[in-house]
Amino acid sequence: QKEVEQNSGPLSVPEGAIASLNCTYSDRVSQSFFWYRQYSGKSPELIMSIYSNGDKEDGRFTAQLNKASQYVSLLIRDSQPSDSATYLCAVNGGSARQLTFGSGTQLTVLP
Amino acid sequence: EAGVAQSPRYKIIEKRQSVAFWCNPISGHATLYWYQQILGQGPKLLIQFQNNGVVDDSQLPKDRFSAERLKGVDSTLKIQPAKLEDSAVYLCASRTGTGRWEEQFFGPGTRLTVL
Repeated sequence: QKEVEQNSGPLSVPEGAIASLNCTYSDRVSQSFFWYRQYSGKSPELIMSIYSNGDKEDGRFTAQLNKASQYVSLLIRDSQPSDSATYLCAVNGGSARQLTFGSGTQLTVLP
Repeated sequence: EAGVAQSPRYKIIEKRQSVAFWCNPISGHATLYWYQQILGQGPKLLIQFQNNGVVDDSQLPKDRFSAERLKGVDSTLKIQPAKLEDSAVYLCASRTGTGRWEEQFFGPGTRLTVL
């Protein structure tokens, strides 16, 4: 059974702070990793993807991957109230290219 | 480019009734997924289609759920009979193929409430 675990939250940070979201996965053959943002009542939208060990930066978002530790994280710098949402970690592995999602971490950025 | 379309957006039914959801993927997307998202959980894959063939339906409760994708475009997911635990958002997603780097695009979802 492939599993993706996220810190359960909820997580609250003040505006302007760094939010750190963590995710571990069980399937060692996983090849690609995604972070989705889901606003309440909306569908998930992709914000970051990462495929190689190390860091990947896109604006205020940085994804970090460590395949040896089976760990992926998302940092949000200069957090804004508009970042308040549930963040879903998703892992893609195997030949069928399916996503296995974590249960999500609810982030609240306090003004 | 039009996104993934789903209907209806909301549905309320009594337990033991049947219900059907419709999905129209992004034009040209060969791969289509149906997910079930229970409140407070991440999406769980129910079934994956590649064109009009089923790639994986191992997590589909086949005693009550069925899905089809005739002509490799639109898809329908049906529940018959519904149970209380089927209350969830049903998400449809599509992608162009099965490439490793491809993004899945999600539709707005259908929120099902079973009373």
